[in-house]
Amino acid sequence: DTAVSQTPKYLVTQMGNDKSIKCEQNLGHDTMYWYKQDSKKFLKIMFSYNNKELIINETVPNRFSPKSPDKAHLNLHINSLELGDSAVYFCASSQASGNTIYFGEGSWLTVV
Amino acid sequence: SQQGEEDPQALSIQEGENATMNCSYKTSINNLQWYRQNSGRGLVHLILIRSNEREKHSGRLRVTLDTSKKSSSLLITASRAADTASYFCATDGEYGNKLVFGAGTILRVKS
Repeated sequence: DTAVSQTPKYLVTQMGNDKSIKCEQNLGHDTMYWYKQDSKKFLKIMFSYNNKELIINETVPNRFSPKSPDKAHLNLHINSLELGDSAVYFCASSQASGNTIYFGEGSWLTVV
Repeated sequence: SQQGEEDPQALSIQEGENATMNCSYKTSINNLQWYRQNSGRGLVHLILIRSNEREKHSGRLRVTLDTSKKSSSLLITASRAADTASYFCATDGEYGNKLVFGAGTILRVKS
């Protein structure tokens, strides 16, 4: 019974392609996030949604578009992928902003 | 700019020894949290300490918080090989609306 699940776990794609990562949480949390972890393990917040509403957008290029169809799902769509987009993307959720965060297992994106 | 900064960047100890990791932050906080990340996995929450608390324990973990110095430490006692992981501190920042993570400390426990 995975609390926060994201798919795919691994994704290798060519520059210029468009790809999506899906995320679902079964914890009943109101807030969901996307974080990006780079090769130096630095973890940076990208987006935060509360009850399907975007509340944080951390100066992420508009090639990245999150979509929250309901409060249990937060998907990430990336257009025109670039080499620098290669990273691990983590979906997460919490009961409220600033509270304990529950992370998914990550999606390893490699752009070639 | 990055809120939390961990120190040291990497730590290598023998099984049974204690491991201490430090975290410094810049703005006022409501709480500070520590997370662990095993290689190839997501982050797992370890412990949360509120700004009005000075020390907290959970099993072999001991966390201290000094808000006057804007710093926290995580002590793992009697370390085990399974404690090998990266450890991150995270603060809820000035507005309490998001968690901001430090760069992490890589801990290696040798058996």
